Parts: sequence; structure tokens; C-alpha cells
Amino acid sequence: DIQMTQSPSTLSASVGDRVTITCRASQSITDWLAWYQQKPGKAPRLLMYKASSLESGVPSRFSGNGSGTEFTLTISSLQPDDFATYYCQQYNNSPFNFGQGTKLE
Amino acid sequence: EVQLLESGGTLVQAGGSLRLSCAASGFTFSIYAMSWVRQAPGKGLEWVSGISGSGANIYYADSVKGRFTISRDNFKSTLDLQMNTLRAEDTAIYYCAKRTGIAVAGTADFWGQGTLVIVPS
Repeated sequence: DIQMTQSPSTLSASVGDRVTITCRASQSITDWLAWYQQKPGKAPRLLMYKASSLESGVPSRFSGNGSGTEFTLTISSLQPDDFATYYCQQYNNSPFNFGQGTKLE
Repeated sequence: EVQLLESGGTLVQAGGSLRLSCAASGFTFSIYAMSWVRQAPGKGLEWVSGISGSGANIYYADSVKGRFTISRDNFKSTLDLQMNTLRAEDTAIYYCAKRTGIAVAGTADFWGQGTLVIVPS
């Protein structure tokens, strides 16, 4: 199975900051990686797919990068609505594991 | 408008069985793969199972393989998850999610609001 590891687990930041979350896969997943945002009590929301493609309706301050085993999600200028938990997920091979999450506070 | 409505979650004793359902609307159900993802209280997301649009391809997480069975009815636009031999560690909110294509390997662009399963230890 492919294991996904996110860092950091918690990230403290302020409105206007540029933040980056890292996701590492235990083996190459080429670019079959997605990022989700989840707020308390809500279902996850798809932000990025294929590592760097922005889902429709997602603000352009979100960007993704990487291939192989190392990936990043960057928010260029944090907005109040961005404080949430972020998960990466690989969809190269089943089981389609998620990372453990990064709480942005 | 895409809608996914899960039902069936409840409190069930360890070793028991439960069937979750997800009623889908607003899209051509048979074209898209579907999946179940769960989230234990205060924990992260865990992919549970996925099924292709035709139902021909099915995948499970190791933690539920042999105990859970995913199925779909493309005429009724419903997705089910039969859960047997339930354990305390199966306690979670179970989300139904629509994949972006016909294959199970893909992203989930729409999610239901979830249904809570509690298995007391």
C-alpha cells in the first residue's frame, strides 16, 4: 500500500501569509494526487487534482506542485475562509489513501 | 444540482451488521464511480471502498476487506455499503462521494453530508 505523509500536522499562520503544506508518498504516484479542504462539521471539498490542476470554483490563491513522491499545496495569501484542515490523497493505486491532515490555524 | 444523501447510520453493537445507503440525484449516476470515505471522531479521512460506474470494478481498504461489501443500483441511483462484523474502530461518519469519472481511481468532486455509525466498545 502507498502511505501518504503530510507535514506539518498543524500550521499557525495569519491572514495574508503565504503557506505551504507538504505531502510525501511512500512510492511514486506520478501526479495522481488530490488536495481537499475540510471545515469542522462539513464534508471535504476538492481543491486540486492531478497535483497541480485547480478544481472549478476554487480561488486562484491555491496552487499545487510536485510529481513522483513529493507534493506541495500553497496558499499565496491566506484569507479568513482558508483556516481549515487540508488532506492530500493519492489515486494512483488502491487503497486510495489520504494523508493524516494538516490543520491550518 | 448534484445531491448525495446518506442514510442508515445508527448505534450497533460490536459484531453486528448495518447497511448504509446513499441516494444520488442531479447527475447520470451510472457514468460515475462512487466511493465511501469515513472519518472517526476527531480523526482524519479514511478511504473505505470504491466501485466503478458499471459496478464491475470494486476496491476495499485492508481494514474492511472481507467485512464490508459495496454495491450500487444504477436504475435506482443508489449506492450501498453492507457492513458486517462491526468493530469499535468502525465508529465514524461515513461519507458517500461521487468520483469525477467512471473509474474508481479518481478524485471526489461531490460529497454527501455523512451518516454516523457508532459501535460501542
